[in-house]
Amino acid sequence: AQKITQTQPGMFVQEKEAVTLDCTYDTSDQSYGLFWYKQPSSGEMIFLIYQGSYDEQNATEGRYSLNFQKARKSANLVISASQLGDSAMYFCAMRGNNAGNMLTFGGGTRLMVKP
Amino acid sequence: GAGVSQSPSNKVTEKGKDVELRCDPISGHTALYWYRQRLGQGLEFLIYFQGNSAPDKSGLPSDRFSAERTGESVSTLTIQRTQQEDSAVYLCASSRGAAGHYNEQFFGPGTRLTVL
Repeated sequence: AQKITQTQPGMFVQEKEAVTLDCTYDTSDQSYGLFWYKQPSSGEMIFLIYQGSYDEQNATEGRYSLNFQKARKSANLVISASQLGDSAMYFCAMRGNNAGNMLTFGGGTRLMVKP
Repeated sequence: GAGVSQSPSNKVTEKGKDVELRCDPISGHTALYWYRQRLGQGLEFLIYFQGNSAPDKSGLPSDRFSAERTGESVSTLTIQRTQQEDSAVYLCASSRGAAGHYNEQFFGPGTRLTVL
């Protein structure tokens, strides 16, 4: 079975500062993918970034980067230069080889950016 | 539009009634997923369709839940004899296919179901 844990139910960050959202995972699969999604108050799920378990480099997409530490089974999302529009729920998710093709989601972290 | 669409956007029903939720995936996407999101929680997988293969129903919470998909197009999620605990946002997603982990799932806007 796969499990995603996000231990921060809520986070505050000052505008223009960087913030790290934690994600740890548990899986018996050797090959898997890790995803981060953003969900604003409007409800849509917006894909942010992907990291494959065999990727040697940490994924980056603009202001988003994924701090992947395979031995620790962590896949933290780093948002640099926070903007007011970054205020939203953030979900970490995983997709494995043996668990079907669905995504397993964590409980989410609500990020609030202060002006 | 080019995205995943869902209807209705909101549905209020009485306990015990049946409801049908509809999802139109992105054209050409062979994989379709249904998830449920209870208030303040993450998404729970319900069911997955891939092409003409038998669907993966492992996430359906009870036999009151069922889903169908016609070919590689529209899907309907049916909840029979709704209960108050069925109140949630039901999200549909589609992706290009099953091969590999990196098949980005594109999500629809969801249907908010309220069971009174």
